[in-house]
Amino acid sequence: DTAVSQTPKYLVTQMGNDKSIKCEQNLGHDTMYWYKQDSKKFLKIMFSYNNKELIINETVPNRFSPKSPDKAHLNLHINSLELGDSAVYFCASSNSLAGVTYEQYFGPGTRLTVT
Amino acid sequence: AQSVTQLGSHVSVSEGALVLLRCNYSSSVPPYLFWYVQYPNQGLQLLLKYTSAATLVKGINGFEAEFKKSETSFHLTKPSAHMSDAAEYFCAVSEMEYGNKLVFGAGTILRVKS
Repeated sequence: DTAVSQTPKYLVTQMGNDKSIKCEQNLGHDTMYWYKQDSKKFLKIMFSYNNKELIINETVPNRFSPKSPDKAHLNLHINSLELGDSAVYFCASSNSLAGVTYEQYFGPGTRLTVT
Repeated sequence: AQSVTQLGSHVSVSEGALVLLRCNYSSSVPPYLFWYVQYPNQGLQLLLKYTSAATLVKGINGFEAEFKKSETSFHLTKPSAHMSDAAEYFCAVSEMEYGNKLVFGAGTILRVKS
């Protein structure tokens, strides 16, 4: 069983379109994240949800909207796609308890190409 | 804000040689530190983590890292490189006060020569 899964793995679309990426984890974790890896392989956090509540919202264009229907799912919707949105998007999950940092487990990534 | 610096974007070693990947961090609080590995076209896999227990941390695939507070370093080592170790390695620090987000270094590509 895959611990953190993402769909689709590859996404090719044109500028201006709206697309969604889905993420599911079966680890029983209470916190999920979205990271963006750019063409230079630099990884940067975008969002984080804890028990369906948004707790991290980095400086990301409001064209990006995360949605967490339950603790096991965190989806990423992107409106009006731009060329600069081309990247690999990683979902991750972890447990969180006050004062304790648990490691994050990453999904396989979704390679988004905007033409 | 915390930050991570990985010295050397590319490291090349011969098979059987020592692997040393350098990571320095800046943090105003005791850090939690991680090393992740990324194989081509794959996600990130956790190698090891430091969470304020033992300063020498052992991970998977024979890797280990030593936390040195005085040097603000968390270098990754492996005594003998294997061809299968060729990948990109990322050092990361966790910002607990910011919802446990990971701040990553720029990554180091490890090449293993036969």
